[in-house]
Amino acid sequence: AQSVTQPDIHITVSEGASLELRCNYSYGATPYLFWYVQSPGQGLQLLLKYFSGDTLVQGIKGFEAEFKRSQSSFNLRKPSVHWSDAAEYFCAVGGGYQKVTFGTGTKLQVIP
Amino acid sequence: DAGVIQSPRHEVTEMGQEVTLRCKPISGHDYLFWYRQTMMRGLELLIYFNNNVPIDDSGMPEDRFSAKMPNASFSTLKIQPSEPRDSAVYFCASRPGTGANSPLHFGNGTRLTVT
Repeated sequence: AQSVTQPDIHITVSEGASLELRCNYSYGATPYLFWYVQSPGQGLQLLLKYFSGDTLVQGIKGFEAEFKRSQSSFNLRKPSVHWSDAAEYFCAVGGGYQKVTFGTGTKLQVIP
Repeated sequence: DAGVIQSPRHEVTEMGQEVTLRCKPISGHDYLFWYRQTMMRGLELLIYFNNNVPIDDSGMPEDRFSAKMPNASFSTLKIQPSEPRDSAVYFCASRPGTGANSPLHFGNGTRLTVT
């Protein structure tokens, strides 16, 4: 069965600092991988996705993620965090004609 | 495009009452998903449809929950009777049928409180 683990429930970073959110997945074949962001009171919005090709993918809002098959990871990064990045971030696996499984999310707090 | 539209945004009801949540997917999207989000369990897939046909309802917690999609532009999730433990945010999402890596498009959710 497919699964996603986000080991960090809550992360606090200073504005301007770099960010890395961790995601590990379990999937029986080549995975489709996604990162979504959820602002308070809103639905989830896609940041970026990976399913083949270059293992470093660029997304919206200056985010990127790197797929590492050997580590079953798909970590999300941003070189310089802005206060508006404070939100909850979800990693997800699956896609295609199968259901998508989400991780439990990581809440990001940005301090001045 | 208006995106996925859910109604109501908030619903407060008493235990035992029937609750109906509504969703209008993005036009042209062949897949529709219902998710439930709670602090304890995160995002759980309840059921999904393809071309209005339910494909996988294994996530529906109990017989009290039912979902329908009478046409391509409308779906409902019904809880009857409702219980306090059903309190959660319910999201509807849709995606197109073409493109195996097409992402989900989420509505803004319905926050359900059962007292």
